Amino acid sequence: KAGVTQTPRYLIKTRGQQVTLSCSPISGHRSVSWYQQTPGQGLQFLFEYFSETQRNKGNFPGRFSGRQFSNSRSEMNVSTLELGDSALYLCASSFTDSLPTEAFFGQGTRLTVV
Amino acid sequence: AQSVTQLDSQVPVFEEAPVELRCNYSSSVSVYLFWYVQYPNQGLQLLLKYLSGSTLVKGINGFEAEFNKSQTSFHLRKPSVHISDTAEYFCAVRRNTGFQKLVFGTGTRLLVSP
Repeated sequence: KAGVTQTPRYLIKTRGQQVTLSCSPISGHRSVSWYQQTPGQGLQFLFEYFSETQRNKGNFPGRFSGRQFSNSRSEMNVSTLELGDSALYLCASSFTDSLPTEAFFGQGTRLTVV
Repeated sequence: AQSVTQLDSQVPVFEEAPVELRCNYSSSVSVYLFWYVQYPNQGLQLLLKYLSGSTLVKGINGFEAEFNKSQTSFHLRKPSVHISDTAEYFCAVRRNTGFQKLVFGTGTRLLVSP
């Protein structure tokens, strides 16, 4: 069974640009969550989607958005990039949005904003 | 709200020695507890989880953890470490009802030397 796939693995963008990151969950998983990992703030929750609906959102500005498609694949978008957006963005998929279940993480997309 | 404290940012240890990585959590409601490992430039891999039942949980790669409700701790242990265990270890909690985000500690870097 294939794991969580995130593309691209590495990305370099210029301040002010926008970027879209993609996440394909494990087959059959309907819940996709996104996390931002930085040396200063650690791992922080961005948002979670279940059946194409955003169910939960972390404390990030509106420049961060996402969506989920009918096949459960998810994308997150960051507009008007700032230097502080440089981070490892991790996607996690779960079978459902209820517990008990574990989250499986992808390898992440490392975004560098210059 | 939940919070996680990993008391040690870095733990150096010699190969074949035992190790304990400490994790304390705070929550006003019941939680599930997890330990994840992250190798350089990789995503998070689940080591073990406590959902309910026996407080001693065994995970992959010879790791185990003990849930102590009175001390609100979930320390990770391994009786004999290998060079390949060098990585970042994250303790995480989430509420045990509905979808709840994972709340991570700041991580402990385990450095195993020969």
